[in-house]
Amino acid sequence: DADVTQTPRNRITKTGKRIMLECSQTKGHDRMYWYRQDPGLGLRLIYYSFDVKDINKGEISDGYSVSRQAQAKFSLSLESAIPNQTALYFCATEGQGSYEQYFGPGTRLTVT
Amino acid sequence: GIQVEQSPPDLILQEGANSTLRCNFSDSVNNLQWFHQNPWGQLINLFYIPSGTKQNGRLSATTVATERYSLLYISSSQTTDSGVYFCATLKTGANNLFFGTGTRLTVIP
Repeated sequence: DADVTQTPRNRITKTGKRIMLECSQTKGHDRMYWYRQDPGLGLRLIYYSFDVKDINKGEISDGYSVSRQAQAKFSLSLESAIPNQTALYFCATEGQGSYEQYFGPGTRLTVT
Repeated sequence: GIQVEQSPPDLILQEGANSTLRCNFSDSVNNLQWFHQNPWGQLINLFYIPSGTKQNGRLSATTVATERYSLLYISSSQTTDSGVYFCATLKTGANNLFFGTGTRLTVIP
């Protein structure tokens, strides 16, 4: 079984809809991250969390919110989706002090 | 942030050829990772290599942290090596990986 899973893997939604992307991990890592990737570019950080009570904004947090429900779960929400949020979204985990990140399979989101 | 530059942006190889991909970064780092993004979009960890040299089968990587660059070597390339190769660094004292824009590798039979 995969260590980092994301659901859904693909989603098409309409402008203005609220949508939640979910991430779960079995690696026992404290640190979790959400990134987005736009075509032809590398990943950019949206939000990150170092433990259940810790939430931090990344470089492109506007229009997004997150929830760390448990050590193993980190959800990303788009409160009112817009077309320029069409992208590939990745969740990642990192063990405390290790600096090495492990990525989930990604969620391909299309906002029409 | 930190600037991460990868070269070349695109590379086409005949199957069996060797290649070297380069990653330059602008500041001291705690982490450098190489990833392969396959045609289905999945990111596959290749190396965690903040310094030194590592090898894994036909792939190897070297990071010279004092000179702020890393190299990824692919030997005897195969068509399954096609995809985009990213390097990503974690600047000392920062909390997130900064990604380069990638090298798109196409291996033709």
